[in-house]
Amino acid sequence: DTAVSQTPKYLVTQMGNDKSIKCEQNLGHDTMYWYKQDSKKFLKIMFSYNNKELIINETVPNRFSPKSPDKAHLNLHINSLELGDSAVYFCASSQTIRAGYYEQYFGPGTRLTVT
Amino acid sequence: EDQVTQSPEALRLQEGESSSLNCSYTVSGLRGLFWYRQDPGKGPEFLFTLYSAGEEKEKERLKATLTKKESFLHITAPKPEDSATYLCAVGNAGNMLTFGGGTRLMVKP
Repeated sequence: DTAVSQTPKYLVTQMGNDKSIKCEQNLGHDTMYWYKQDSKKFLKIMFSYNNKELIINETVPNRFSPKSPDKAHLNLHINSLELGDSAVYFCASSQTIRAGYYEQYFGPGTRLTVT
Repeated sequence: EDQVTQSPEALRLQEGESSSLNCSYTVSGLRGLFWYRQDPGKGPEFLFTLYSAGEEKEKERLKATLTKKESFLHITAPKPEDSATYLCAVGNAGNMLTFGGGTRLMVKP
């Protein structure tokens, strides 16, 4: 069974379109994240949700909106896509064992290409 | 601002040739230093968490160590299947992970 899954694996779209990426985890974790990995391979946090509540929102354009219908799902919706949004987007999850201590488990990634 | 620097960026080894990867960090309130392995086209795979200076953890041919300023990932007698990008990250009190740029390891048979 896949612990953290994402769909789709690949997404090719044109500038100006709106798209969504879905993420599901079956680990029973209480926190989920979205990361962006650019062409230089740096992973940067975008959002974090704990028990369906947004707790981290890094400097990300308003065109990006996360939605968490329940603890096991965190979706990422992107409006008015731009060329610079092309990257690999990773979903991750973790369980807060005690305050501030955690290990994050990542999904397989969604490669977004904007043309 | 938390920062993580990994070196070298790329490392080529012959099978059986041991070496170390470095991760230097600055963080406000370290809540853990994490090592991940990432294969091409896949998500990072969790390897180790280190919580305090002096701590060591081992898994097969990998051993991670931690000081107050850096962490090392020692690879003993590597095999071609150890080829991957190894990522280091630090977690702070705000539950945020900051990643380094990774070290791309290539092990030749």
